[in-house]
Amino acid sequence: DADVTQTPRNRITKTGKRIMLECSQTKGHDRMYWYRQDPGLGLRLIYYSFDVKDINKGEISDGYSVSRQAQAKFSLSLESAIPNQTALYFCATSDAGFQETQYFGPGTRLLVL
Amino acid sequence: RKEVEQDPGPFNVPEGATVAFNCTYSNSASQSFFWYRQDCRKEPKLLMSVYSSGNEDGRFTAQLNRASQYISLLIRDSKLSDSATYLCVVTARTSNDYKLSFGAGTTVTVRA
Repeated sequence: DADVTQTPRNRITKTGKRIMLECSQTKGHDRMYWYRQDPGLGLRLIYYSFDVKDINKGEISDGYSVSRQAQAKFSLSLESAIPNQTALYFCATSDAGFQETQYFGPGTRLLVL
Repeated sequence: RKEVEQDPGPFNVPEGATVAFNCTYSNSASQSFFWYRQDCRKEPKLLMSVYSSGNEDGRFTAQLNRASQYISLLIRDSKLSDSATYLCVVTARTSNDYKLSFGAGTTVTVRA
């Protein structure tokens, strides 16, 4: 079984809808991250969490919120989806922060119409 | 200016050839450097870390040039399975944390 899983894998939604992307991990890592990837751009950090009580904004957090329900679960919400949030979203974990290996989930392809 | 820049390619090479490409970074205080591999429509996976003295992992060689602020990746004896996008990743210390910056990737296509 995969160490980092994401649901759903693909989602089509309409402008203005609220949507939640979920991430679970079995690696036992405290640190979890949400990124988005757009064509021609590098992955950009949306939010990250170093433990259940720690939530931090990344470089592009506007329009997003997160919830760390447990060590193993980190959810990303789009409160009111807009078309420019169409992207490939990745959840990742690491053992010791940004300077260590990031382990990515398989990604969620989101299309906002 | 982007913090991490890569030539998007594609680099089209025949099997068995050597291919090399660079990644430049803008923050001179960058501390950790990595190459990740991303197959089409899939998640990135760590290929190798890049150490100051340079390092090899089988057919892959990574180098760091701090003076000119770039890292490089060289693939020898290319295989069809090496076809992928290679992401350069750089970590720099901030006032209270680290920042991870990703390049947009260099695409390599190995043909039979």
